[in-house]
Amino acid sequence: KQEVTQIPAALSVPEGENLVLNCSFTDSAIYNLQWFRQDPGKGLTSLLLIQSSQREQTSGRLNASLDKSSGRSTLYIAASQPGDSATYLCAVANSGYALNFGKGTSLLVTP
Amino acid sequence: DAGVTQSPTHLIKTRGQHVTLRCSPISGHKSVSWYQQVLGQGPQFIFQYYEKEERGRGNFPDRFSARQFPNYSSELNVNALLLGDSALYLCASSLGPGRDEQFFGPGTRLTVL
Repeated sequence: KQEVTQIPAALSVPEGENLVLNCSFTDSAIYNLQWFRQDPGKGLTSLLLIQSSQREQTSGRLNASLDKSSGRSTLYIAASQPGDSATYLCAVANSGYALNFGKGTSLLVTP
Repeated sequence: DAGVTQSPTHLIKTRGQHVTLRCSPISGHKSVSWYQQVLGQGPQFIFQYYEKEERGRGNFPDRFSARQFPNYSSELNVNALLLGDSALYLCASSLGPGRDEQFFGPGTRLTVL
């Protein structure tokens, strides 16, 4: 059974800092990995999708990397802004039809 | 283009009642998945439907059922509601079954009293 862990559970940084969110998974036989953003009480917004054959994906100030062999992914956020405050979720797709989610990292960017 | 839509936004029910949640996928998407998210946890997979057939089912009791219609919209039904069913119910759509990129709707907040 795939287990997805996200560290840290919560993070508070001043505006302008670069930061890294971590995701680890126990079964390296994945098809893809998605990073999502969730605002309080809202749905999930897809940020980046990395296929198992890829090493990284970039979108604007976001960069996600994937090391399948070690079961790790990182989400790098450059020049953080207060509007980046949200919960960030990592989800892994294996051989089944379900996404397996971590519990998320709650990010607060202070002005 | 419209994203994934869900209705209703919020719902309050009492124990033992029945509830139906609705989801319309992104135009052109043929797969719909349902997830349950309780406070402080990541979403948990309930069902995936593709071309009106169930393709995957998570570890949920038989009180949970779903179906997909010819226009690819979907309903999630929950019978005999329990307090523990209180959660945010999320619908996701994708082009195909399984492991395509998933796009989520805003969710339905269900409160069971």
